[in-house]
Amino acid sequence: EVQLVQSGAEVKKPGESLKISCKGSGYSFTSYWIGWVRQMPGKGLEWMGIIYPGDSDTRYSPSFQGQVTISADKSISTAYLQWTSLKASDTAMYYCARRTAAYFDSWGQGALVTVSS
Amino acid sequence: SYVLTQPPSVSVAPGQTARITCGGNNIGSKSVHWYQQKPGQAPVLVVHDDRDRPSGIPERFSGSNSGNTATLTISRVEAGDEADYCCQVWDSISDHAVFGGGTKLTVL
Repeated sequence: EVQLVQSGAEVKKPGESLKISCKGSGYSFTSYWIGWVRQMPGKGLEWMGIIYPGDSDTRYSPSFQGQVTISADKSISTAYLQWTSLKASDTAMYYCARRTAAYFDSWGQGALVTVSS
Repeated sequence: SYVLTQPPSVSVAPGQTARITCGGNNIGSKSVHWYQQKPGQAPVLVVHDDRDRPSGIPERFSGSNSGNTATLTISRVEAGDEADYCCQVWDSISDHAVFGGGTKLTVL
């Protein structure tokens, strides 16, 4: 069974750094792209970017380029999303999802990030 | 960048048919995928490549795509179908995923 398990909820202050994770199992982690999707409170899904763990090829949405960093450690089947300086506007649920062809067939459970002073 | 437009809300009585649209410029030339998201849960793929259902998704869920509109059709709607539904395409020009704004389906 394909599973993506994300790290837990985080509460941070503005200006702090953060790295959340997404661990894949039940499939060949290096053979599928992993995407990250933001969902702000009460809003829709926003595509942030995607990484191919096999060679760490990464693409970013223009809206998120330079704001976050996507990475992966294929030795432990884990993808990451990180911020160096959080803002209150980063408060959202973040999902990782496996890309098959042109769609996302498996999703993590989500990680709620709250940024508040 | 490519834009997908969905109605904010659709309401339907139990047992009736719900149709949720997703508009985009010449969207008929793209493959459209649909996700269901219930409150507090992660999205679930319900239709991919315009009309294909993943295993475990009821036959009541179907899709079509032509011209400038793709449609997710839910037949014999049940209370448990109440959720947000979001369409998605892969924009080959930018090599990016694009999501629609989402439609809240209310079962009356």
